[in-house]
Amino acid sequence: GQNIDQPTEMTATEGAIVQINCTYQTSGFNGLFWYQQHAGEAPTFLSYNVLDGLEEKGRFSSFLSRSKGYSYLLLKELQMKDSASYLCAVRVHFSGTYKYIFGTGTRLKVLA
Amino acid sequence: EPEVTQTPSHQVTQMGQEVILRCVPISNHLYFYWYRQILGQKVEFLVSFYNNEISEKSEIFDDQFSVERPDGSNFTLKIRSTKLEDSAMYFCASSEGGGYTFGSGTRLTVV
Repeated sequence: GQNIDQPTEMTATEGAIVQINCTYQTSGFNGLFWYQQHAGEAPTFLSYNVLDGLEEKGRFSSFLSRSKGYSYLLLKELQMKDSASYLCAVRVHFSGTYKYIFGTGTRLKVLA
Repeated sequence: EPEVTQTPSHQVTQMGQEVILRCVPISNHLYFYWYRQILGQKVEFLVSFYNNEISEKSEIFDDQFSVERPDGSNFTLKIRSTKLEDSAMYFCASSEGGGYTFGSGTRLTVV
């Protein structure tokens, strides 16, 4: 089956660094994506990895190890506006098409 | 920046009624998707659409649901005989084959 695990909630302080982990067991792996979702809004794309290693994009970085089925999203210099849910999603490829399988999301609270 | 547009933003319907959720994908995108998110739960795949036909659908996407691309720009999700448990946010997404762009969603409330 397809399974994605991430912590339900995390809390961090403004200005700090936080790492959100994601582990997955899927078939047809074709990339791992991170999305940010504020309550009542659509997910917005943050970062993705297809190959192993670290991808850096401003304050956000994402890491992937395909052999371990593991990824993390690193958020630096946290701001209050970073309080949101962070969704780990694996893109899988079947018969010429793609779909995303989402984790349940990690709700991040940034405290002053 | 190009956007995926969804209408309406909020739809309230009586149980048993039919609803049509509308989406205008980004114009040069070839792959279209519908996802739903029940309040407090994860985003779930419903269906993918490519080359004017369904390429994959989930077990959620039963005979109650259908999708259409009635013209060159719109992509619709029809839900027949709505049930209370169909209440959710429905997100349309499109892609060229890489990362998705999601629309802002339609909140469907079945009463």
